[in-house]
Amino acid sequence: AQSVAQPEDQVNVAEGNPLTVKCTYSVSGNPYLFWYVQYPNRGLQFLLKYITGDNLVKGSYGFEAEFNKSQTSFHLKKPSALVSDSALYFCAVRYSGGTYKYIFGTGTRLKVLA
Amino acid sequence: NAGVTQTPKFRVLKTGQSMTLLCAQDMNHEYMYWYRQDPGMGLRLIHYSVGEGTTAKGEVPDGYNVSRLKKQNFLLGLESAAPSQTSVYFCASRPGGDKGEQFFGPGTRLTVL
Repeated sequence: AQSVAQPEDQVNVAEGNPLTVKCTYSVSGNPYLFWYVQYPNRGLQFLLKYITGDNLVKGSYGFEAEFNKSQTSFHLKKPSALVSDSALYFCAVRYSGGTYKYIFGTGTRLKVLA
Repeated sequence: NAGVTQTPKFRVLKTGQSMTLLCAQDMNHEYMYWYRQDPGMGLRLIHYSVGEGTTAKGEVPDGYNVSRLKKQNFLLGLESAAPSQTSVYFCASRPGGDKGEQFFGPGTRLTVL
């Protein structure tokens, strides 16, 4: 079965410190991996994606993510957190097997403390 | 471009009432999706469409129906609302092809009493 896991419900980090939000996946075939961010009372906004190529993907607002095939992970990172990064983050995956469906993780709430 | 819009933004229903949520996109996207978001459960796919006139069931389709008569619109219907359908509903769209990301609407907050 295809699945995505975000093992941490919440991550707290001090402003200026690096942040990591974890995501692991289980799919058959080649995975396409995505990160989205949701601010309060808003829809999800696309941050970045991994399709193929370089394992380190750079996205919006200074975020990046590293695809690790052996560990089936796609962790979201940022070198220096901002208070404005506080939001709900979702990892999503779909696989290249012909389905059009995406599978979302349960979300990780990031809280950046001033 | 307005992107993906949803109507209404908020709605309160009584058990047994019906309603239709409208999703519209102006990006000429092929694929459209309806999700529900519940605390601790992430987004769950209700129904989706891979093109005008086509629909398919997602992970949690029971109690919902959809239609895609026009490419730009994707309607989600609740024929007889139940309290378990209290949720935030998001519509999303994406272009054709295999690799694109989804674009989300702002959501509809539905409460069923």
